[in-house]
Amino acid sequence: EAGVAQSPRYKIIEKRQSVAFWCNPISGHATLYWYQQILGQGPKLLIQFQNNGVVDDSQLPKDRFSAERLKGVDSTLKIQPAKLEDSAVYLCASSPPGDRGLPNYGYTFGSGTRLTVV
Amino acid sequence: QQQVKQSPQSLIVQKGGISIINCAYENTAFDYFPWYQQFPGKGPALLIAIRPDVSEKKEGRFTISFNKSAKQFSLHIMDSQPGDSATYFCAASAEAGANNLFFGTGTRLTVIP
Repeated sequence: EAGVAQSPRYKIIEKRQSVAFWCNPISGHATLYWYQQILGQGPKLLIQFQNNGVVDDSQLPKDRFSAERLKGVDSTLKIQPAKLEDSAVYLCASSPPGDRGLPNYGYTFGSGTRLTVV
Repeated sequence: QQQVKQSPQSLIVQKGGISIINCAYENTAFDYFPWYQQFPGKGPALLIAIRPDVSEKKEGRFTISFNKSAKQFSLHIMDSQPGDSATYFCAASAEAGANNLFFGTGTRLTVIP
């Protein structure tokens, strides 16, 4: 089974510039998540999609962050304009539908995109 | 507000020793408690998970102990190996909360040969 694919792996931009990240979840996984992981901290949820609908975006800074999930498969996360405090690893994860009852239900994470804002 | 509190921040253990990481939570709606292992440059990977209907779950050298009344759970790594050196995150989710995971702050484990 192929994993969650993310690109790019690294990105360095200047503050006030824009940037976009791409995620391709595991085939058949209905739920897709974007997490922000600041160095030395645990991942923090930014947005959750169920198919192509948003389930939870309460922690997404909507004045600068946006996300969409095309046709319920791939997803993009955009930051415009970026701030220094946006420097972090952006992790995409996916989970299958109706799997929560299984003993080891869990997300599969991609390797992330490391963003540095200078 | 940190939904899941994790300690210690870092841990150094001799090879063959026992590594213990602790987590605590407040939200009684949480009903799923996974542990994730993260190596540098990689995303977190599910290690082991427990639900509150059991007090302990063991998979190989990894054991979760769960205390529902104290709202605490811990990860024990028996016979720790240098290959276990990684950052470990506890997490929790509630089915009523759209299943999204709340992570602890992480524990960096170093196993010395």
